[in-house]
Amino acid sequence: DADVTQTPRNRITKTGKRIMLECSQTKGHDRMYWYRQDPGLGLRLIYYSFDVKDINKGEISDGYSVSRQAQAKFSLSLESAIPNQTALYFCATSSDGEGYGYTFGSGTRLTVV
Amino acid sequence: RKEVEQDPGPFNVPEGATVAFNCTYSNSASQSFFWYRQDCRKEPKLLMSVYSSGNEDGRFTAQLNRASQYISLLIRDSKLSDSATYLCVVKGGHNQAGTALIFGKGTTLSVSS
Repeated sequence: DADVTQTPRNRITKTGKRIMLECSQTKGHDRMYWYRQDPGLGLRLIYYSFDVKDINKGEISDGYSVSRQAQAKFSLSLESAIPNQTALYFCATSSDGEGYGYTFGSGTRLTVV
Repeated sequence: RKEVEQDPGPFNVPEGATVAFNCTYSNSASQSFFWYRQDCRKEPKLLMSVYSSGNEDGRFTAQLNRASQYISLLIRDSKLSDSATYLCVVKGGHNQAGTALIFGKGTTLSVSS
C-alpha cells in the first residue's frame, strides 16, 4: 500500500456541486498539506495542518475547506465547485524535522464542467 | 519577485550530456532547500536535499549559495530516464507559514538518444 493515499484518483463533477477529496497516510507524520497544480503555475498551497487541532490557510484557500479527522486523515472540500478549480490536487505529509521533504500522494485529477 | 524562480526550459539534450539547472529564491530567511523530480501527471518525488557545502548523489550534484539566494542542480552523463520536470523547492521563514514548501514552476528536461 502507498504511504499516502488519495481518493478518488479522477473525478468529473458539475459546477455548483460539493465534492470532497480524501487523503490518508501511514507515515505517522503529524503534518499534512493540500496543493493544487495547474499547467504553467506550478504547485500552490491550499491548506496545511500541523496536527489534528491545527488548520492553516495557504496561498489559495478561497473556495476550499479542510477537515483533519485524525492524524492520518486530511480531507479537502470544494463547497460549490467552479470550472477554474479544475486541476491536479496533491496531498502531502511531512515530519516536523527541518530539512525533511514531503511525501506526496498520487494526486486527484478533478474536472469541473 | 516570485518566491522561487526557475527557467522553465525545455532543456533538450542528448544522452551523455551534462546539464545544469538554476533557481533563485526571494526569502532570505528560508532554511531548507530541495530538488524534486516530477514525471508527467505523477506526484513530485524528492530527488535530493541541497546544502551550502554541496550535495552529491551519483550523477546528481546540488549546490546552495545563500549569499546569492541561488540553488543549482547538475546532472552528469544524462540518461533517457532523466527526462522529467525538476522542481526547485524552498522551505522555512520567520513564521509558521514559512514551514510549508514553496515550489518553483519547474524546469523540463528531455534527454534523447
